[in-house]
Amino acid sequence: EVQLVQSGAEVKKPGESLKISCKGSGYMFANYWIAWVRQMPGKGLEWMGIIYPGESDVRYSPSFQGQVTISADKSISTAYLQWNSLKASDTAMYYCARRGLLVLDFWGQGTLVTVSS
Amino acid sequence: EIVLTQSPATLSLSPGERATLSCRASQTISSYLAWYQQKPGQPPRLLIYDVSNRAAGIPARFSGSGSGTDFTLTITGLEPEDFAVYYCQQRSGWPQTFGQGTKLEIK
Repeated sequence: EVQLVQSGAEVKKPGESLKISCKGSGYMFANYWIAWVRQMPGKGLEWMGIIYPGESDVRYSPSFQGQVTISADKSISTAYLQWNSLKASDTAMYYCARRGLLVLDFWGQGTLVTVSS
Repeated sequence: EIVLTQSPATLSLSPGERATLSCRASQTISSYLAWYQQKPGQPPRLLIYDVSNRAAGIPARFSGSGSGTDFTLTITGLEPEDFAVYYCQQRSGWPQTFGQGTKLEIK
């Protein structure tokens, strides 16, 4: 069974750093792109970027380029989304999703990030 | 960036009725359109890919159609569990954008 399990909710202060994770199982993790999607409170879905764990090939949406870092460690089947300096506007639910059939066929449960002073 | 515009923003229907949700792209995206369903507190779920192909386990009451710039998700015979928010998403251009969503609510 394909599963993506994300790390737990985080509460951070503005300016702090953060790295959240997404662990895949039940399939060949290295062979499928993993996307990160943001959902701000009460809002829609936003495509942030995508990584191919087998080669660590990363593509960022222009809106998120330079704002976050996407990485992966294929040896432990885990993808990451990282911020160096959080802002209040980063408060959102973040989802990882596997790109199979060239669409997002399996999703993690989401990681809620709250940034507040 | 390709912009997807969904309409209506909210659709109020009763169980058993037929729902028709629209997604319009700002430029042609061939057949590279998917639909997702999201219920409160849950991640999105893939329903339809490449316009009309149902994902595994998706009931036949869900169907998709369209081409070019205009696409439709149809749900025939609404079940109580179908009331949710629906998003379209294109994979023709980068970034692979989503529509703003249509909320399907019980009338």
